[in-house]
Amino acid sequence: EAGVAQSPRYKIIEKRQSVAFWCNPISGHATLYWYQQILGQGPKLLIQFQNNGVVDDSQLPKDRFSAERLKGVDSTLKIQPAKLEDSAVYLCASSLTAGVDTEAFFGQGTRLTVV
Amino acid sequence: GIQVEQSPPDLILQEGANSTLRCNFSDSVNNLQWFHQNPWGQLINLFYIPSGTKQNGRLSATTVATERYSLLYISSSQTTDSGVYFCALPYSGGGADGLTFGKGTHLIIQP
Repeated sequence: EAGVAQSPRYKIIEKRQSVAFWCNPISGHATLYWYQQILGQGPKLLIQFQNNGVVDDSQLPKDRFSAERLKGVDSTLKIQPAKLEDSAVYLCASSLTAGVDTEAFFGQGTRLTVV
Repeated sequence: GIQVEQSPPDLILQEGANSTLRCNFSDSVNNLQWFHQNPWGQLINLFYIPSGTKQNGRLSATTVATERYSLLYISSSQTTDSGVYFCALPYSGGGADGLTFGKGTHLIIQP
């Protein structure tokens, strides 16, 4: 079974530029999450989708971050304009269903460096 | 929101040694996962263990939900066990049901 796919693996951009990350969840998984992991810390939840709808985006800095999952499968996370403090690994995860008793699986992440 | 504390923060061991990693949490839970983040950044699922004990090869985990802690045991450590081990529990905020992570235990296994 294929895992969660993310691209690109690495990205270096200058501050104030824009960047986009792509995620393809495990086939059949209805729930998709984006996390931000700053160096030395655990991942922090940014946004959760259930199919193509947003369940919660309260932790997403919506002045510069946006995310979509138009057809309920792939998802894109965008940052515009990027700041130095956005340097982090962006992880996508998926689970079969929503609910606190479901197991989540993570992709390899996209390492973003903003210079 | 739920608080997750992991200990020790850092651990250096020789190959072949055994280790115990601890995760304390502030609220009762019905979901707890242990992950290993390898040096390339991949988060690998180790255990989904809201309660009880599970074993997988050299690794085992125990969660005592009533006392709000979980333990991860690694026996006969190998250099490939190096990395960061995270405990994660249900996120409590808004309507999301993702995970809240501890700060992790950074494990280094020396040959």
